[in-house]
Amino acid sequence: EVQLVESGGGLVQPGRSLRLSCAASGFTFDDYAMHWVRQAPGKGLEWVSGISWNSGSIGYADSVKGRFTISRDNAKNSLYLQMNSLRAEDMALYYCAKGSRDGYNSPVDYWGQGTLVTVSS
Amino acid sequence: QSALTQEASVSGTVGQKVTLSCTGNSNNIGSYAVGWYQQISHGAPKTVMFGNSLPSGIPDRFSGSKSGTTASLTISGLQPEDEADYYCSTWDYSLSAWVFGGGTKLTVL
Repeated sequence: EVQLVESGGGLVQPGRSLRLSCAASGFTFDDYAMHWVRQAPGKGLEWVSGISWNSGSIGYADSVKGRFTISRDNAKNSLYLQMNSLRAEDMALYYCAKGSRDGYNSPVDYWGQGTLVTVSS
Repeated sequence: QSALTQEASVSGTVGQKVTLSCTGNSNNIGSYAVGWYQQISHGAPKTVMFGNSLPSGIPDRFSGSKSGTTASLTISGLQPEDEADYYCSTWDYSLSAWVFGGGTKLTVL
């Protein structure tokens, strides 16, 4: 059974940093692309970043480019999101999601339960 | 404004067939596989269709199709548990980003 478990969310002041993690199990992690997708309170889904199976291709939404960094450790079956210079508009539930193929332009087929990031002074 | 356009709301009765649509352009839906995601009561999203594939555990009353720059999700034999928000999504190569529709709220009457 595919499982994606996010951690690292919490309350952070504007301008500070936070690192999210996602522990994956139930599939061959290094065969698939991975994504971070967020959902602000009362809003729809927004893609944040994606990474191919071997970290060779990485992409970001314009709203986070230059502030967020996605990475993965295939030996640890883990995905990460380093978030710097956080803003109020970054406050959201952050989901880890598995791509259906190795490239990150493939649709998501599994989702985690999410970790909440609150940005407030 | 979302890159993909979905109906804000759709309703149907139990047993009815309903179709949700997702309209984009040649840079996204016209060129790439579409995913459909179900979100019940603001819980975690669940994939109900990706490309032409039905994920394991999703009942076969869900089906997907695409014609040109419009994708559709059809639910045949609507059930009360199908009431949810549904989002479509695909890759957009001109934006080099994944794009989502604004979501459709499906109500089962």
